[in-house]
Amino acid sequence: GENVEQHPSTLSVQEGDSAVIKCTYSDSASNYFPWYKQELGKRPQLIIDIRSNVGEKKDQRIAVTLNKTAKHFSLHITETQPEDSAVYFCAAPNSGNTPLVFGKGTRLSVIA
Amino acid sequence: GAVVSQHPSRVICKSGTSVKIECRSLDFQATTMFWYRQFPKKSLMLMATSNEGSKATYEQGVEKDKFLINHASLTLSTLTVTSAHPEDSSFYICSASPPRIQYNEQFFGPGTRLTVL
Repeated sequence: GENVEQHPSTLSVQEGDSAVIKCTYSDSASNYFPWYKQELGKRPQLIIDIRSNVGEKKDQRIAVTLNKTAKHFSLHITETQPEDSAVYFCAAPNSGNTPLVFGKGTRLSVIA
Repeated sequence: GAVVSQHPSRVICKSGTSVKIECRSLDFQATTMFWYRQFPKKSLMLMATSNEGSKATYEQGVEKDKFLINHASLTLSTLTVTSAHPEDSSFYICSASPPRIQYNEQFFGPGTRLTVL
């Protein structure tokens, strides 16, 4: 089955700086890579995702890059703001239409 | 986007009692729903896949007799934690994918925080 590794586990940045979180996956057949933001006590919220047929996707301050050869994908947040502070999870599907396997999460702290 | 609800949002129970958590897809039909558990400061761990009209598929290490799943309709799956103990205290979250979604995009319920005293 799919195995997803996520780094770093914690990340502190100054407001305005960029933050990068990286994930690797094991199943070369995986074709969908979402990123979720979870605030304390709340459900994970999808913030961006990428399909395997593209290498990069951007949505305002958030971007995701995918390297299928190396089997890794990264979340990039630019011009970070205090409200970006949360736990971020990457995920990848098991083979077929099966549920997502999540990384262990990255606790991002944006210091004003 | 698709909407998934859960009820209750929070429950406190005594050790040994059973607790039922409901997961509903409000604006779509879901033949498959997923149940996750999240311990404090940990990631989401898949417990089981709930299949409408058939038995749930449990992940390794999850006791099917303790975590009963029923998916009796296309919009409702229930998770019953039987004979709950303090170590079952956790955040339980369900998710589902609308049929129109080609990829594995999932929509999560708001979660249920279970505290077993």
